[in-house]
Amino acid sequence: GQNIDQPTEMTATEGAIVQINCTYQTSGFNGLFWYQQHAGEAPTFLSYNVLDGLEEKGRFSSFLSRSKGYSYLLLKELQMKDSASYLCAVRDSNYQLIWGAGTKLIIKP
Amino acid sequence: SAVISQKPSRDICQRGTSLTIQCQVDSQVTMMFWYRQQPGQSLTLIATANQGSEATYESGFVIDKFPISRPNLTFSTLTVSNMSPEDSSIYLCSAGSGETEAFFGQGTRLTVV
Repeated sequence: GQNIDQPTEMTATEGAIVQINCTYQTSGFNGLFWYQQHAGEAPTFLSYNVLDGLEEKGRFSSFLSRSKGYSYLLLKELQMKDSASYLCAVRDSNYQLIWGAGTKLIIKP
Repeated sequence: SAVISQKPSRDICQRGTSLTIQCQVDSQVTMMFWYRQQPGQSLTLIATANQGSEATYESGFVIDKFPISRPNLTFSTLTVSNMSPEDSSIYLCSAGSGETEAFFGQGTRLTVV
């Protein structure tokens, strides 16, 4: 079966750095996505990785290792507004997005 | 990036009735999808909306309950038919073109009473 695993919840301090991990087992791989979702709102796109390595976009970076079936989202200089759920999704061989359950990130002052 | 307008943003409906949700994209896109998201949970794909043909439904979802239209490359509708309280959820439209990221509409928060 297809499976995406990510921690259910994480807590971090404002101004700090946090890494949210995602491991996956899917039938084929056509890219990995990270989305941010605030409570009661739709997901918003953060990053897309299809090749191994690190993609940096401002305070957010995303890393992919296809051989390990592993990705992480790195958030730097955390702000209170970063409190949200972070969803990892993998596009499989049928070009469907397989979604993780999301990681709820709580930022404390 | 594509901008997706979804409406209504929320509704409260009586059981046994039907609600149609509309999704409008500001550019032509290859793929359009409909998802459901229960509170505190991740997204569940209902179906892929195919332009000019019948939608492709995921296991557990059927056309009689969730009829979908996609008359062109920028517009789709999802109808939740004969609603029951179990259908209370957030419904999300998503669109994208092939290789790149998928964008979401604002979502429709449905409450069935």
